[in-house]
Amino acid sequence: RKEVEQDPGPFNVPEGATVAFNCTYSNSASQSFFWYRQDCRKEPKLLMSVYSSGNEDGRFTAQLNRASQYISLLIRDSKLSDSATYLCVVKHEGATNKLIFGTGTLLAVQP
Amino acid sequence: NAGVTQTPKFQVLKTGQSMTLQCAQDMNHNSMYWYRQDPGMGLRLIYYSASEGTTDKGEVPNGYNVSRLNKREFSLRLESAAPSQTSVYFCASSVVGTEQYFGPGTRLTVT
Repeated sequence: RKEVEQDPGPFNVPEGATVAFNCTYSNSASQSFFWYRQDCRKEPKLLMSVYSSGNEDGRFTAQLNRASQYISLLIRDSKLSDSATYLCVVKHEGATNKLIFGTGTLLAVQP
Repeated sequence: NAGVTQTPKFQVLKTGQSMTLQCAQDMNHNSMYWYRQDPGMGLRLIYYSASEGTTDKGEVPNGYNVSRLNKREFSLRLESAAPSQTSVYFCASSVVGTEQYFGPGTRLTVT
């Protein structure tokens, strides 16, 4: 079983739709959580960190459920430019900044 | 600032050949990392350097060596390339405990 699991998709949604991705992690020692975005044939870039209280950045909302060990990302009012792969990332306590990446969820926003 | 730069962008090797992938960052980060990304596997850590003068193995170090030449530069060497090392290689850097910044990647094919 992979340590960080994501539905690979693809999620095909129309412009303006709301879409949600979930990610589960298996190591209860995981301390920090992130969503990265990766465009086709490009490098990953940090989209947002995920805090225990949940956090929002414009159209993007991230939630953490430690009890169930899952993280979610909600995108409202999808834009064509949101089309990308979204990577769920966790960091263990005391892991000297070593990150564990999920395989990613592909989002395709259709006009 | 250029951020994280990698050379070369593309490379084709024959089995048994050697090569060094170069990475440099101009953000004064202490930590640097090498990852490989394969379809369905996500990003996997090969080696990392928490600070200048130190290197440690990641999840998939076999077949690779690294050198932290100075604070800016972290190179990855393949001594005898194998087809299983065909992949996209990303270098990243960070201040400990913060987000990682990735270079544009090197697409390596071993025939």
